[in-house]
Amino acid sequence: QQPVQSPQAVILREGEDAVINCSSSKALYSVHWYRQKHGEAPVFLMILLKGGEQKGHEKISASFNEKKQQSSLYLTASQLSYSGTYFCGTVGTATGGSYIPTFGRGTSLIVHP
Amino acid sequence: ETGVTQTPRHLVMGMTNKKSLKCEQHLGHNAMYWYKQSAKKPLELMFVYNFKEQTENNSVPSRFSPECPNSSHLFLHLHTLQPEDSALYLCASSQEGNYNEQFFGPGTRLTVL
Repeated sequence: QQPVQSPQAVILREGEDAVINCSSSKALYSVHWYRQKHGEAPVFLMILLKGGEQKGHEKISASFNEKKQQSSLYLTASQLSYSGTYFCGTVGTATGGSYIPTFGRGTSLIVHP
Repeated sequence: ETGVTQTPRHLVMGMTNKKSLKCEQHLGHNAMYWYKQSAKKPLELMFVYNFKEQTENNSVPSRFSPECPNSSHLFLHLHTLQPEDSALYLCASSQEGNYNEQFFGPGTRLTVL
C-alpha cells in the first residue's frame, strides 16, 4: 500500500522553508526520500530507519516518527536548485524480507527567485 | 550521471511492433529494477532481479518481458503494447541489503501509437 504525501504541490520564494509529509497506514521499517528534477532520474536524498532518527543533507533534513508511521522532509532557506518532485518510499516491517520501498505520488516543489 | 545508463532515451512504437529497452549499470551492484512512471501516478515497481534471478514480478502483463543476462545489464522486451503503456520507464540498481539506496537511470520515454 502506497504512502500518502502532502501537500501535492508547494510554491516558494528563494529563502523560504517548506515541509513535505509522508504517511503510511502500516508499521514502517524505513523511509526513503528521493528528488526528481524535470526530465531527469530520481536522485536519492536519504534513508531513515526505524528508531525515530533524524538525518540531514545540506539544508534538507528529515525526521521519522515510527509511532505515527510518518516522515517529514524539511527544506530550509530553499534554493532554486531545490525545485523538483520529492518522493517518499516506505518499507514496512511486515514485508517478508523485501526492502524495496513503495513510493508515494510525489510532491511538486517550485522555488521562484 | 548516476552510473546507470538507459537506451534509447525516447521510443515511439506502434502496437504491433517489438522493441527492447536496455539498461546498464557501472556501479558493481547486484540488484536491478524496472519501474514505470506515468503522469500523476507513483512510481510502479515492475520487476526486480537479484544476482540475475528474478525475485519480483508485480503482476505485470506478459507483453512486458524482462531479461537479465548478467548483474550489469537489464533488458525490457516489449511486444504488442497498448497506448496506456506509454510512460517513462526507469531502470535502477542497488547493492542488495537492508538499506537499498537505489540509483536510477535517466529513463526511456515510451510512446505507443
